[in-house]
Amino acid sequence: GAGVSQSPSNKVTEKGKDVELRCDPISGHTALYWYRQSLGQGLEFLIYFQGNSAPDKSGLPSDRFSAERTGGSVSTLTIQRTQQEDSAVYLCASSTRLAGVNEQYFGPGTRLTVT
Amino acid sequence: AQSVTQLGSHVSVSEGALVLLRCNYSSSVPPYLFWYVQYPNQGLQLLLKYTSAATLVKGINGFEAEFKKSETSFHLTKPSAHMSDAAEYFCAVRLSGNTGKLIFGQGTTLQVKP
Repeated sequence: GAGVSQSPSNKVTEKGKDVELRCDPISGHTALYWYRQSLGQGLEFLIYFQGNSAPDKSGLPSDRFSAERTGGSVSTLTIQRTQQEDSAVYLCASSTRLAGVNEQYFGPGTRLTVT
Repeated sequence: AQSVTQLGSHVSVSEGALVLLRCNYSSSVPPYLFWYVQYPNQGLQLLLKYTSAATLVKGINGFEAEFKKSETSFHLTKPSAHMSDAAEYFCAVRLSGNTGKLIFGQGTTLQVKP
């Protein structure tokens, strides 16, 4: 079946512009996660959703970052007024439910470059 | 706070040699532990997971890992390296509670020499 998909695969933007990153989870997966992978920080958790609600936003680096999920499916991560330090690969993952050891399935990521 | 430490950011082995990638975790209670592999320009793929059912866990592509509570370790091994094993490997721990979020180690790049 179809895996987690993310778009765009690559995004180059100018400093100060806003960007939107999209994640389509595996159908039926209720939990959705966003991570960021950068050279200096490795893999960092950003936010997760259970259904459409986001109980844990603790990983969002600043108030320029926000995310939403609609219909319990697609999620959008928005970065406002991008900075060069936002350059990274943004990974999305989904799983069947929050609890237990259900594994997270990762998408290919969106590579964001802020110039 | 829970954390994961991967010893060695780069490991180089010859084709056919033993692969050993080290992972240590800090946790006050037995955690859920995972190994993921990332090939160039791809997302993360689960190799194996520890769920407390058995201390020796077998995964895909001939990899296995052993959970050792006394050493707080979860090292990844493969008896014989193949060129296609060259990739970056991440150890991760799932936080206790219901968040489900993973805390990753810094990753180990495995190089396989012919």
